[in-house]
Amino acid sequence: DAKTTQPPSMDCAEGRAANLPCNHSTISGNEYVYWYRQIHSQGPQYIIHGLKNNETNEMASLIITEDRKSSTLILPHATLRDTAVYYCIVRVFNTGNQFYFGTGTSLTVIP
Amino acid sequence: GAGVSQTPSNKVTEKGKYVELRCDPISGHTALYWYRQSLGQGPEFLIYFQGTGAADDSGLPNDRFFAVRPEGSVSTLKIQRTERGDSAVYLCASSPRGQETQYFGPGTRLLVL
Repeated sequence: DAKTTQPPSMDCAEGRAANLPCNHSTISGNEYVYWYRQIHSQGPQYIIHGLKNNETNEMASLIITEDRKSSTLILPHATLRDTAVYYCIVRVFNTGNQFYFGTGTSLTVIP
Repeated sequence: GAGVSQTPSNKVTEKGKYVELRCDPISGHTALYWYRQSLGQGPEFLIYFQGTGAADDSGLPNDRFFAVRPEGSVSTLKIQRTERGDSAVYLCASSPRGQETQYFGPGTRLLVL
């Protein structure tokens, strides 16, 4: 699975959009981009995933560049409960196997 | 419905002892995963079950670690002759057949003194 690069930490003001970048320049054509987050002392939580089209669900939006070498997770109106470590992962869909989490981005939402 | 549960939530043991960590996946989920997370790091894969069999155990660090899932539901991670370096949060996740999303439990915090 391709490696990803994320900034180690970010701050965001409460109520503003949080934009979390991820670089995956070696992504293969059949690899999806997944995002998970981990709130302190909890297990990781699935957020969203996509292949090449932008995706949106009730939690977030995922914007993938046309060359698929980078993506951005957008939390449209960050709340204090969004403070967590966010992991960007790339992998082949439905290989039934592990996720490589990396060290993620620690997002702090500031009141 | 009930999520993935793990017991115990915390375990303190002494170096050299044997420990068992239990995972109850979401009912009906066929795939089960074990990960280990050290402080400040992301979860690291240990082993993956599809049904009763271990489909991939490439993440187990050495032969002191073993996991079973005899009836395709509950799984137990077993660690023999524990070492201080085994101290970590052990996470379990499950997913239904044909779906990608892994649902994680809260983890077991293991401390080896």
